[in-house]
Amino acid sequence: GNSVTQMEGPVTLSEEAFLTINCTYTATGYPSLFWYVQYPGEGLQLLLKATKADDKGSNKGFEATYRKETTSFHLEKGSVQVSDSAVYFCALYNNAGKSTFGDGTTLTVKP
Amino acid sequence: GAVVSQHPSWVICKSGTSVKIECRSLDFQATTMFWYRQFPKQSLMLMATSNEGSKATYEQGVEKDKFLINHASLTLSTLTVTSAHPEDSSFYICSARELGIEFFGPGTRLTVL
Repeated sequence: GNSVTQMEGPVTLSEEAFLTINCTYTATGYPSLFWYVQYPGEGLQLLLKATKADDKGSNKGFEATYRKETTSFHLEKGSVQVSDSAVYFCALYNNAGKSTFGDGTTLTVKP
Repeated sequence: GAVVSQHPSWVICKSGTSVKIECRSLDFQATTMFWYRQFPKQSLMLMATSNEGSKATYEQGVEKDKFLINHASLTLSTLTVTSAHPEDSSFYICSARELGIEFFGPGTRLTVL
């Protein structure tokens, strides 16, 4: 079956530090990969996506590259801000018609 | 992007009562919507897939008589928690897909006393 494994949190960084949140997946076929962000008390918002191998998704300074050879989709940002503090979910979607989510990684950025 | 709304955003009810949560796609039509449950500091658990004009598809372990889903139109799905008990307290999130992207509602916080 499908599964997504995320780096365990919580992650605490100082402002302007470099961020990496690891994500690996197991899936049949060729899934699309997503990163979602959830702020306290809210639903999930799409952060970025990639639909095929070697695609790079990017948004708001965040990036992730679809690596089929390592089945990974690691999230990176060069310089985090306090406003980036949230929970980040890696997810995949394939032709089974459902999304599979990682457990989420809580990021706290301190000034 | 597409917008999905939920109502209410929070609800408190007494044990034994039923609660209805609405999920609407505001600017697109959704033949399929999804209902998730999220426990504190945990990931989303898919409860069921709501299909417009037909019965919902429930995930294993989810009681269909407990969590009634109705998808009567292309823009509205409802989740009714029947005879709610404190263990049903949770954060419920719906979603709908458009153009390959899943858009989520803001969630409904249910507290059963």
